Amino acid sequence: GAVVSQHPSRVICKSGTSVKIECRSLDFQATTMFWYRQFPKKSLMLMATSNEGSKATYEQGVEKDKFLINHASLTLSTLTVTSAHPEDSSFYICSARDHGDTGELFFGEGSRLTVL
Amino acid sequence: GQNIDQPTEMTATEGAIVQINCTYQTSGFNGLFWYQQHAGEAPTFLSYNVLDGLEEKGRFSSFLSRSKGYSYLLLKELQMKDSASYLCAVMDSNYQLIWGAGTKLIIKP
Repeated sequence: GAVVSQHPSRVICKSGTSVKIECRSLDFQATTMFWYRQFPKKSLMLMATSNEGSKATYEQGVEKDKFLINHASLTLSTLTVTSAHPEDSSFYICSARDHGDTGELFFGEGSRLTVL
Repeated sequence: GQNIDQPTEMTATEGAIVQINCTYQTSGFNGLFWYQQHAGEAPTFLSYNVLDGLEEKGRFSSFLSRSKGYSYLLLKELQMKDSASYLCAVMDSNYQLIWGAGTKLIIKP
């Protein structure tokens, strides 16, 4: 099956710094990728939909300037957490859909961000 | 509003059968997904139902009734490794996934 790779899997950073997380579709082209955030014992929260070659669509309540999303190619989307604070510590997961809108959704391995 | 309901937690015995239910109310329907998620890991795909009926895949089966807004995931011959959270998600008319909070399944020897 299709594979989505996410990097890094774990990152620890100091408050005020920026962190970039990459999401790659390894064996298929993904015009759309999704970025989620998950808090302990809670379901996935969709942060934004990343569209190749255009601006990301952010969900209500998600700060666009804080969570920068770039989808520069059909196989790569990046999420940059700018000026990270301890409350940004979370598990961030990307996903990509194979075969258009109704295809199976594949998830990356997730990235656990800890901001000190 | 859009809503996905599934039990918070269930307990079952190794070797037994367990059924995890999911009811939904969404703006449109373009399929229902079940995902498995082990603690600290990303979800992995289990099944996709878009038509009514039962889809069987090994020890796991998924059922859908669109008229009732209802689905269940059936796990047979439970193994300890099946201890995980099971997430129900519905794709709405905009092809966005609406996620349930997940059901934590605890398997006891």
